[in-house]
Amino acid sequence: QTVVTQEPSLTVSPGGTVTLTCGSSTGAVSSGHYPYWFQQKPGQAPRTLIYETSNKHSWTPARFSGSLLGGNAALTLSGAQPEDEADYYCLLYYSGVNWVFGGGTKLTVL
Amino acid sequence: EVQLVESGGGLVQPGGSLRLSCVASGFTFSSYWMGWVRQAPGKGLEWVANIKGDGSEKNYVDSLRGRFTISRDNAKNSVFLQMNSLRAEDTAVYYCMRGDYWGQGTLVTVSS
Repeated sequence: QTVVTQEPSLTVSPGGTVTLTCGSSTGAVSSGHYPYWFQQKPGQAPRTLIYETSNKHSWTPARFSGSLLGGNAALTLSGAQPEDEADYYCLLYYSGVNWVFGGGTKLTVL
Repeated sequence: EVQLVESGGGLVQPGGSLRLSCVASGFTFSSYWMGWVRQAPGKGLEWVANIKGDGSEKNYVDSLRGRFTISRDNAKNSVFLQMNSLRAEDTAVYYCMRGDYWGQGTLVTVSS
């Protein structure tokens, strides 16, 4: 069974920088996993922040960026704002298995 | 403006069936893979299924294969999720998604 791993929780200070990671039980995450990152606030539907590793949508704040880092997909938040407090999920593609979500990271801005 | 609007959720007894619908607008529907994602109360996201733009390919999470069926009607800009033999653990909000766009979700509750 393929498992996608994220930090269960992280805390960042307002204005600070934090990196969320997304790992795979099958080995290093690559661009071939087409990593996606989603943000979900309480009571709301998820929204896509990053697609295919590092591409942003028009609504993605510039302080968010996606990359591959140390064998993982990574979401970096630079200059955290109170409104960034949310759950963050990554999604990876696996040939023959299809898509698998990570367990999510609860980000606290404090 | 891209919009995805789900419907069809509700309360169903264990062993029952339900068909979810998602109507899309604002883009060329037949050009896109569409999918369903679910979220049990207080839990994370789970990818359920997706379907190619022309309907020729369908993929499912292994745990649901055989009970859930995804389909689409490009003439109606709609994608569907037929759910059979429902169990309590299928209780969740079901989201329609295009990968970069999400609907608001529809709640399915399986309970007697």
